[in-house]
Amino acid sequence: GAGVSQSPSNKVTEKGKDVELRCDPISGHTALYWYRQSLGQGLEFLIYFQGNSAPDKSGLPSDRFSAERTGGSVSTLTIQRTQQEDSAVYLCASSTRWGNTGELFFGEGSRLTVL
Amino acid sequence: DAKTTQPNSMESNEEEPVHLPCNHSTISGTDYIHWYRQLPSQGPEYVIHGLTSNVNNRMASLAIAEDRKSSTLILHRATLRDAAVYYCILRVEYNFNKFYFGSGTKLNVKP
Repeated sequence: GAGVSQSPSNKVTEKGKDVELRCDPISGHTALYWYRQSLGQGLEFLIYFQGNSAPDKSGLPSDRFSAERTGGSVSTLTIQRTQQEDSAVYLCASSTRWGNTGELFFGEGSRLTVL
Repeated sequence: DAKTTQPNSMESNEEEPVHLPCNHSTISGTDYIHWYRQLPSQGPEYVIHGLTSNVNNRMASLAIAEDRKSSTLILHRATLRDAAVYYCILRVEYNFNKFYFGSGTKLNVKP
């Protein structure tokens, strides 16, 4: 079955360039999360979307980071003027709003390397 | 937000049980205890969750202390494929945002 899909799987960019990372959640899932995982570290919450509600952007590390979710489905995380410290794996997850577990389903991540 | 404390790493022998501890002394009455694991080069996957009673599923068992200030994830027979980072997380029912992952416990399984 179709799980959470992320693209690109790997992205190498030069410092100062903008990058866009895409997340296609499981169909019907109204909640969508972005996390960042630096090498050997745990997951850092970035942003959360729930249906048509205003997103919770409290985890975004700076104003260079932004995300949008169009039509309640696909989401794009944009990093402007990338810095070397932005190098990490960016993970997207989706879930149903209601349900027995509220289980998060994760994609395989987009690995970003900023040179 | 209530936080959790886990050992950085643990080691187990293949086919032996593994008990992964988690402390959550500031847990509130509406916090569910969730466990996820992350296999190498993959996104995390759900393992199990509970509120007050012990829980069993095909993957593992969750033992919750009576005061709920700690819990233990039990893998009954560890396999090499269980080598992963295990995360213990608290989340408030129906308040799914800010689902915080800590550093987790890295489980090494020896053949």
